[in-house]
Amino acid sequence: RKEVEQDPGPFNVPEGATVAFNCTYSNSASQSFFWYRQDCRKEPKLLMSVYSSGNEDGRFTAQLNRASQYISLLIRDSKLSDSATYLCVVNRRTGGGNKLTFGTGTQLKVEL
Amino acid sequence: NAGVTQTPKFRVLKTGQSMTLLCAQDMNHEYMYWYRQDPGMGLRLIHYSVGEGTTAKGEVPDGYNVSRLKKQNFLLGLESAAPSQTSVYFCASASSSYNEQFFGPGTRLTVL
Repeated sequence: RKEVEQDPGPFNVPEGATVAFNCTYSNSASQSFFWYRQDCRKEPKLLMSVYSSGNEDGRFTAQLNRASQYISLLIRDSKLSDSATYLCVVNRRTGGGNKLTFGTGTQLKVEL
Repeated sequence: NAGVTQTPKFRVLKTGQSMTLLCAQDMNHEYMYWYRQDPGMGLRLIHYSVGEGTTAKGEVPDGYNVSRLKKQNFLLGLESAAPSQTSVYFCASASSSYNEQFFGPGTRLTVL
């Protein structure tokens, strides 16, 4: 089983739609969680951290469910510019320090 | 600030050739990382460094070597390139292992 699993998509949604992605992680010792965004043929960039109580940044809402070991990202009022791949990232402590594990990403395509 | 830069952007090698990829950051970050990204595999950590003069193996270190002689630079070497090393290579840096990683624009390497 992969340490971090995401539905690869693509999710094709019309502009203005609400879309949600889930990500599951296998290691209960995971400590911190992030969503990164990666545009085609570009580098990943941090979209937002995910806090235990859930957090919101404009049209984006992230949730963490430690009991079920999944995190989610909700995008409201989708824009064409939201089209990208969204990477779920999990950080856990190891003997050699902290380890970031990246999911393979969920592709979002927002259409007119 | 340039952030994280990588050279070269593109490279084609023949099997058995060697090369060095250079990563530079101007954010005074202690932590630096080398990843490779392949379709369906996500980002996988090759080597990392927690400070000048230190390096450590990541998830997929075989066939690669690294050096961190200066805090701002992290070099990735391929001594004898193989077709399996065809990939996109990303460098990243962070102020700590808990914080956001900032990525460079990537190097697209093809080994024939």
